[in-house]
Amino acid sequence: DIVLTQSPDSLAVSLGERATINCKSSQSVLYSFYNKNCLAWYQQKPGQSPKLLIYWATVRESGVPDRFSGSESATDFTLTISSLQAEDVAVYYCQQYYSSPLTFGGGTKVEI
Amino acid sequence: QLHLQESGPGLVKPSETLSLTCTVAGGFIDSSGFHWGWIRQTPGKGLVWIGSVDYSGTTAYNPSLESRVTISVDTSKNHFSLRLTSVTAADTAVYYCARRLILDGTMVAFDYWGQGTLVTVSS
Repeated sequence: DIVLTQSPDSLAVSLGERATINCKSSQSVLYSFYNKNCLAWYQQKPGQSPKLLIYWATVRESGVPDRFSGSESATDFTLTISSLQAEDVAVYYCQQYYSSPLTFGGGTKVEI
Repeated sequence: QLHLQESGPGLVKPSETLSLTCTVAGGFIDSSGFHWGWIRQTPGKGLVWIGSVDYSGTTAYNPSLESRVTISVDTSKNHFSLRLTSVTAADTAVYYCARRLILDGTMVAFDYWGQGTLVTVSS
């Protein structure tokens, strides 16, 4: 199974400041046919189900604010919230869909 | 707007079978553009993919659960179902159903999720 290791486990960021969440994959998730990484990011607010933010490592889902962005470097992936808003308090998860079984990272809790 | 809703017993006895149904509203389950999946969440193990099914009934399961899992689809009722046999306390979790996107012929991420349902395994 592909293991996704997220860091940090939690972070506190001031309103308007940048939040950076990391996700490291135990092996490549690059789909060579499209030259795209099979990596998604989700946001889960308290008491809610996960919400898709980004797929193909960098593609923002429709309706997601542009303060959310994804970046990639080999097996290292980053979710950045450029200017944290109060409504961004949540747990963020990465997920790979390169191979079965689909796997998720352990989550990063973002607080103000 | 697509809406997914899980339903089923919230309490299951050890060694019995957990059965959940996910009803899809606002869209048709018999579309070739999507797969339909089950994911569970516990404080200890986080999010775990259980398995997926497409409109034709083709399934894929997590090997860690495969021996106990059956996922099926009923296009006439626009819903899909999960059966997990021989449950133990370790199967206590919030169970989510979700839609999985297919883009350019490739299965991608889960773009719509149900609200989740807590299933407790206890006598």
